[in-house]
Amino acid sequence: DQQVKQNSPSLSVQEGRISILNCDYTNSMFDYFLWYKKYPAEGPTFLISISSIKDKNEDGRFTVFLNKSAKHLSLHIVPSQPGDSAVYFCAARGSGSARQLTFGSGTQLTVLP
Amino acid sequence: EAGVAQSPRYKIIEKRQSVAFWCNPISGHATLYWYQQILGQGPKLLIQFQNNGVVDDSQLPKDRFSAERLKGVDSTLKIQPAKLEDSAVYLCASSLGNSGYTDTQYFGPGTRLTVL
Repeated sequence: DQQVKQNSPSLSVQEGRISILNCDYTNSMFDYFLWYKKYPAEGPTFLISISSIKDKNEDGRFTVFLNKSAKHLSLHIVPSQPGDSAVYFCAARGSGSARQLTFGSGTQLTVLP
Repeated sequence: EAGVAQSPRYKIIEKRQSVAFWCNPISGHATLYWYQQILGQGPKLLIQFQNNGVVDDSQLPKDRFSAERLKGVDSTLKIQPAKLEDSAVYLCASSLGNSGYTDTQYFGPGTRLTVL
């Protein structure tokens, strides 16, 4: 039972363009959402997060949007840079039985120079 | 600030052998996590410690996996005996351990285990 889904295993974009990574969740108890970035042979590193009381959070080139009614969040990277090439994981947590951090399966982003 | 340290980085064993992984969290972090990441999947929590006590081990296969965090700092994860399906990257993470949702987890580089 995948509670957090990233349906696109891979995404390629040109340098300078926008990258949009998508994530869907099913557990309505989730109320805090995170994106992690992972380079090969390294552990995931925290990128940006959003609480369910917001619908947008911005940090430099990275913006996360949350649509609670659709149980959908997305990560926008503008402009995309070759150094952004990595695997991006969406994760979610809530309270009670949902307090664990639950990860999606990841999307491999490749930014082409 | 030093990050989460893990060793070894790679390990190859035969099935039915035993193996142990070591983790040293970020100094001052009260909470420590062990995750299993199978190829093509996201990390899955195996066990969570708060100081030296277990908070959540609901997804730990206790018939073969064990973990301890002596003195509330370093931790070891052991598999005995290993099965083919245990081939994965084992990630250790730590966090400050406050009760808020902003308690960010910081991950180590992981140990890649191959069971032949």
